[in-house]
Amino acid sequence: GESVGLHLPTLSVQEGDNSIINCAYSNSASDYFIWYKQESGKGPQFIIDIRSNMDKRQGQRVTVLLNKTVKHLSLQIAATQPGDSAVYFCAAYNDYKLSFGAGTTVTVRA
Amino acid sequence: DGGITQSPKYLFRKEGQNVTLSCEQNLNHDAMYWYRQDPGQGLRLIYYSQIVNDFQKGDIAEGYSVSREKKESFPLTVTSAQKNPTAFYLCASNPAGGADTQYFGPGTRLTVL
Repeated sequence: GESVGLHLPTLSVQEGDNSIINCAYSNSASDYFIWYKQESGKGPQFIIDIRSNMDKRQGQRVTVLLNKTVKHLSLQIAATQPGDSAVYFCAAYNDYKLSFGAGTTVTVRA
Repeated sequence: DGGITQSPKYLFRKEGQNVTLSCEQNLNHDAMYWYRQDPGQGLRLIYYSQIVNDFQKGDIAEGYSVSREKKESFPLTVTSAQKNPTAFYLCASNPAGGADTQYFGPGTRLTVL
């Protein structure tokens, strides 16, 4: 199976600063990873994904880094904005299903 | 307007009653999934279906049942056998059931009184 965990349950960041959310996974056979953002009372929203043949992938204001050696991935958000306040989940794909971490709650301070 | 719809958004039931949650998608996706989310926790997989008329148990299938008679529909029944049914239920789909993005619906919050 797969176990996915985030390093910090909460993160408080000043508006305009960069945010880094970390995630660890247990199964070295996991080959696809997704970051989701979930606002209160809503379904998770896709942010960015990365496959195991890549180390880095960039989107709009977001970057995902994958370190397969230590089974770790991170999500970096540049110039964090108030609208980035949400719960962020990482998910790892293995054996026909996604396994989710518990989530990191990001709070943006004005 | 494509996407995944779940209804209702809020649902209240008395203890001991079965309840069915609706999930519909018009994305022409083969695979559909049901997750349960409890406060402060990640999503846990209840059931998934990679093709019509076929489905598999996830990690917490006990007390739940599903059907997949149509490609666009994957209803979830929460039975009276589920010991702690109050939770936020999320439906998702992806194009072919493999290592690809899963797209989520807005969720149904079930409260059992």
